[in-house]
Amino acid sequence: GAVVSQHPSRVICKSGTSVKIECRSLDFQATTMFWYRQFPKQSLMLMATSNEGSKATYEQGVEKDKFLINHASLTLSTLTVTSAHPEDSSFYICSASLQGAMNEQFFGPGTRLTVL
Amino acid sequence: GDSVTQMEGPVTLSEEAFLTINCTYTATGYPSLFWYVQYPGEGLQLLLKATKADDKGSNKGFEATYRKETTSFHLEKGSVQVSDSAVYFCAREGGSQGNLIFGKGTKLSVKP
Repeated sequence: GAVVSQHPSRVICKSGTSVKIECRSLDFQATTMFWYRQFPKQSLMLMATSNEGSKATYEQGVEKDKFLINHASLTLSTLTVTSAHPEDSSFYICSASLQGAMNEQFFGPGTRLTVL
Repeated sequence: GDSVTQMEGPVTLSEEAFLTINCTYTATGYPSLFWYVQYPGEGLQLLLKATKADDKGSNKGFEATYRKETTSFHLEKGSVQVSDSAVYFCAREGGSQGNLIFGKGTKLSVKP
């Protein structure tokens, strides 16, 4: 089946630094990638939708200047948390949609971010 | 607003027990409905789905029926195994971009 990887799986950083998380579709081309955030015992909340070659669409309440998303190719999207603060500590999950197959999403294993 | 509500866990069962995880949704119209499973250390995987009312999704012994009257999509399995231990997420089709709206997840632990 389609595989999505994320890197790193776990990162700890100091407050004020920036952290980049990569999401890759390993064996298929993903026209659309989604970034979700999950707090403990909460739902996955959609942060933004990323289409290859265009600007990401952010959900209401998500700061686009803080959570920079780049989808430079059909197999890679990156999320950069800029000037991270402790309240940004969370579990970030990406998913990717196969070309021409809306609603068929494949998820990465997630990245645990801890900001000290 | 649009949401998905599923029963809180954790759920602990003995092997071969019957499983039900309740899920209800709110929406205008009839969105596609999904169950995803997340095994320890892995990403979410699609378990089953239903795209219209009265459809039954099934996979690996799990079943869920799209009930528009009760806006529900409860997950059932007749006889669980230890290998079914995971977190189960109910989800519905979201916006025009193809995103999903998730429930909070239910952790299932099956004891031998």
